[in-house]
Amino acid sequence: GESVGLHLPTLSVQEGDNSIINCAYSNSASDYFIWYKQESGKGPQFIIDIRSNMDKRQGQRVTVLLNKTVKHLSLQIAATQPGDSAVYFCAENSGGSNYKLTFGKGTLLTVNP
Amino acid sequence: EAGVAQSPRYKIIEKRQSVAFWCNPISGHATLYWYQQILGQGPKLLIQFQNNGVVDDSQLPKDRFSAERLKGVDSTLKIQPAKLEDSAVYLCASSAGMLGRGGEQFFGPGTRLTVL
Repeated sequence: GESVGLHLPTLSVQEGDNSIINCAYSNSASDYFIWYKQESGKGPQFIIDIRSNMDKRQGQRVTVLLNKTVKHLSLQIAATQPGDSAVYFCAENSGGSNYKLTFGKGTLLTVNP
Repeated sequence: EAGVAQSPRYKIIEKRQSVAFWCNPISGHATLYWYQQILGQGPKLLIQFQNNGVVDDSQLPKDRFSAERLKGVDSTLKIQPAKLEDSAVYLCASSAGMLGRGGEQFFGPGTRLTVL
């Protein structure tokens, strides 16, 4: 089975609220994680990444948290906007030095104006 | 900078027919990936090329799928013969190097395949 999964398949928030998207992974050897955003009809777009030697990384309006103890990854989006509506995937490097990405199933984020 | 180009964008075929997809990566990107994304799921890696050599094809159904990157630039993915379960979006991605070391993967828009 897949080694990366998501707790919530859908998330609906109000514009301006903060969003939190969660992801569980099972491969304790994974050393690199990425969050992707995929809009309808488009390929996945890189949002933010984090290496396993970190527990938090911040970008513009986004923060990724990594908890290796419970093998959990989360994406926080501050002040969510309608343009943030998309499917969000977490992915882990499961291939060691070959950098092979394993994607989770995705969470659909809907932002209500 | 031009992105990853894919064609066609849509393809409808009947089962047992053959189909081919084309990908042109970002100029200078050595690594090229083909992914299969079934509706409602995350992308699944089919094959990874480094220049014109195959790095990983462990999840490629080799009895019906084939891919090549002869000159280390463009790539084609072929399915012959197609099955109903091959209906999916086929994504191509490229990267300049290894992930986390300037090797971010950039995805194309994908080819949506429907097998009837």
